[in-house]
Amino acid sequence: EAGVVQSPRYKIIEKKQPVAFWCNPISGHNTLYWYLQNLGQGPELLIRYENEEAVDDSQLPKDRFSAERLKGVDSTLKIQPAELGDSAVYLCASSLYSGQGVTGELFFGEGSRLTVL
Amino acid sequence: AQSVTQPDIHITVSEGASLELRCNYSYGATPYLFWYVQSPGQGLQLLLKYFSGDTLVQGIKGFEAEFKRSQSSFNLRKPSVHWSDAAEYFCVDKTSGLGGTSYGKLTFGQGTILTVHP
Repeated sequence: EAGVVQSPRYKIIEKKQPVAFWCNPISGHNTLYWYLQNLGQGPELLIRYENEEAVDDSQLPKDRFSAERLKGVDSTLKIQPAELGDSAVYLCASSLYSGQGVTGELFFGEGSRLTVL
Repeated sequence: AQSVTQPDIHITVSEGASLELRCNYSYGATPYLFWYVQSPGQGLQLLLKYFSGDTLVQGIKGFEAEFKRSQSSFNLRKPSVHWSDAAEYFCVDKTSGLGGTSYGKLTFGQGTILTVHP
């Protein structure tokens, strides 16, 4: 079974440029997460989707970050314009949602490492 | 709000020695606790999880963890460390309960980096 797939694995851009990350979750997983991981820290949630609905985007900096999950499968996370402080690893994860207020374990992709110069 | 504390930022052990990584979580009625491992350049991999029942849980790669409600702890252990265990380890708490936008949200500790000496 294929795991969570993310692309690109690495991206180097200059500040003020746009960047986009793509995530394909495990087949059948209706919950999708985007996490931000700064160097030396644990991941922090940016946004969580249940199918195509963003149910928790309270930590997403909406002035420059946007995300979408059309058709409730793949997802894209965009930053426009990027700033130096956005250099980090962006992790995507997916899980099954039971519909009873409990989600299953999260499966993570390998991450997309962003460097902003 | 949920919080997870891993007191040790970096631990060094010799290959073959025993290992214990500490984790403390903030009080929650129903803690769902996990340990994940992240090797350099790799994604996060689940080692083990605790939802309920037996407080000593077994995971992959010979790891185990013990849930102690009285101490709000969920320490990870391995009796004999292998060089391939060198990685960063994260203790994670998942908000449980019915309803609300916070359910299912993972709270990560800051991580413990494990170095293994030959």
